[in-house]
Amino acid sequence: DAMVIQNPRYQVTQFGKPVTLSCSQTLNHNVMYWYQQKSSQAPKLLFHYYDKDFNNEADTPDNFQSRRPNTSFCFLDIRSPGLGDAAMYLCATSRVVGVDTQYFGPGTRLTVL
Amino acid sequence: GDSVTQMEGPVTLSEEAFLTINCTYTATGYPSLFWYVQYPGEGLQLLLKATKADDKGSNKGFEATYRKETTSFHLEKGSVQVSDSAVYFCALSTLHKFYFGSGTKLNVKP
Repeated sequence: DAMVIQNPRYQVTQFGKPVTLSCSQTLNHNVMYWYQQKSSQAPKLLFHYYDKDFNNEADTPDNFQSRRPNTSFCFLDIRSPGLGDAAMYLCATSRVVGVDTQYFGPGTRLTVL
Repeated sequence: GDSVTQMEGPVTLSEEAFLTINCTYTATGYPSLFWYVQYPGEGLQLLLKATKADDKGSNKGFEATYRKETTSFHLEKGSVQVSDSAVYFCALSTLHKFYFGSGTKLNVKP
């Protein structure tokens, strides 16, 4: 089945230690998104890629970076995780930006010690 | 700006009860509307969607009708099950972005 895959499902890191989260998709969608979701809140968009074009949300901290080496993969890098970065990180894809369905992966739960 | 407003939860129902979760939106243009469901510890799953006024989305016994005159997209189910316990997010997409509501937690008791 075509899908969005996130690895790992659970990630534990130490305060200030860089961490990378991975997302891959078999839908061949042009757009990949990263969201941060804290407990009992709606997902918050961090950034998205349309093909190789990177689009950062204005309020996304510089501590968060992303890479998309090819159509299938997208990575979220947190350069110096703080306690406030502990959250669920959701990857999503869509064919185009805008009026289109987004398909989500299962998420990676990040714990910062 | 564009936004989605959902009724606050949690909503607690007994099994086989009727469910309504209210959702209203503000948008310029002609957005698409969605309901996503999130089970504990999981990502968001698309439940249903509607792309134009008067469209009805349906899936797994859930329904929602795109009402442009009332700018609403309320989620309904005639008979809920314990397995429907989850958080439900209403969302809209426009030319520029996806907007989520704050989510409504549903608890269904046996």
